[in-house]
Amino acid sequence: GENVEQHPSTLSVQEGDSAVIKCTYSDSASNYFPWYKQELGKRPQLIIDIRSNVGEKKDQRIAVTLNKTAKHFSLHITETQPEDSAVYFCAASSYSGAGSYQLTFGKGTKLSVIP
Amino acid sequence: KAGVTQTPRYLIKTRGQQVTLSCSPISGHRSVSWYQQTPGQGLQFLFEYFSETQRNKGNFPGRFSGRQFSNSRSEMNVSTLELGDSALYLCASSFGSLVTDTQYFGPGTRLTVL
Repeated sequence: GENVEQHPSTLSVQEGDSAVIKCTYSDSASNYFPWYKQELGKRPQLIIDIRSNVGEKKDQRIAVTLNKTAKHFSLHITETQPEDSAVYFCAASSYSGAGSYQLTFGKGTKLSVIP
Repeated sequence: KAGVTQTPRYLIKTRGQQVTLSCSPISGHRSVSWYQQTPGQGLQFLFEYFSETQRNKGNFPGRFSGRQFSNSRSEMNVSTLELGDSALYLCASSFGSLVTDTQYFGPGTRLTVL
């Protein structure tokens, strides 16, 4: 089955700096890669996603890049703010048969933005 | 549109007992997935239901089971609880396919096994 590795597990940055979180996946057939943000005590929320026919996607301060050949994708947050502090999870889809898919998540990155 | 809801929010049980958790998806969503979240382990997939049928299953023992009703509400059952079952259990709903439709998470049920 799919295996998703996420690095780093913790990341501290100064406010205004950029943050980069990287994930690798094992199933070359995976074609959907969402990123979720989970603030302390709250539910995970989708912040951005990318599909395999696109190499990069941007939404204001957040961008995701995908390298299908190397089987890795990254989340980039620019001009970080204290409210960006949270745990970020990457995920990759894998086909489970009979037209259905499953999302496999990385173990998460705890991002701390220092004012 | 109301979000995904889960009940109860907190639960304390003892080893050997069983527990049932409930998830109400967003109106119109037919897919409900369940995840176990523990510190340092991320979200581990338990199973997914679509139109009352289990469509996918993760690598959890048979003590973990679920079902989905005709109104798309889903329940998850854990029998013979073990200490290691202490976790946050999240459900998520989507309209249909997990690769074309956004998955929305509920607030979770915090299960503590003593």
